[in-house]
Amino acid sequence: AQSVAQPEDQVNVAEGNPLTVKCTYSVSGNPYLFWYVQYPNRGLQFLLKYITGDNLVKGSYGFEAEFNKSQTSFHLKKPSALVSDSALYVCAVRDDYGGATNKLIFGTGTLLAVQP
Amino acid sequence: DSGVTQTPKHLITATGQRVTLRCSPRSGDLSVYWYQQSLDQGLQFLIQYYNGEERAKGNILERFSAQQFPDLHSELNLSSLELGDSALYFCASSLGTSGGAGTQYFGPGTRLLVL
Repeated sequence: AQSVAQPEDQVNVAEGNPLTVKCTYSVSGNPYLFWYVQYPNRGLQFLLKYITGDNLVKGSYGFEAEFNKSQTSFHLKKPSALVSDSALYVCAVRDDYGGATNKLIFGTGTLLAVQP
Repeated sequence: DSGVTQTPKHLITATGQRVTLRCSPRSGDLSVYWYQQSLDQGLQFLIQYYNGEERAKGNILERFSAQQFPDLHSELNLSSLELGDSALYFCASSLGTSGGAGTQYFGPGTRLLVL
């Protein structure tokens, strides 16, 4: 069965420093991977996705993610963190039964705290 | 703003009651998804509709049901409510179900509190 793991409940980083939020996946076929961000009392906002192609995916707000097939990882990165990046980051994988559905399986989320 | 709207934003009700949550997808999107987010379970997929037809079912209780109407809006009905049903309920929509068309955009959610 498809699954996603986010090994860190919380990541702390100083403003201006690079950040990484980790995600590993387990799928039976080709992975469709997504990152979403959730601010307090808000819905999930789409950041970026990997379907095929370049292993480095660029997304919104300066975020990017690196797909690594051998390590089954899809880590989210940003070169320079902002205080306003503080939020819950959730990784997801598409649960694909031959394209018949498109439901997402989510990780438990990682709370990113950026200190000024 | 994702373009997905959900009403109401907050709902407080009592055990045993029934409520209806409403979702309007982004313009042009044919697929609607419902998710439940609780503190102990995280985000869980409930059900998906595509152009009016049920496409996939997840961990949806028998007390819960949903439908998608001809104008593509969707409703999630929760009945015989229990304390444990208190959660955030999200609706998402996508253009289709495959490839890039499958990217899901989420609404702001409905926070349900069952007392």
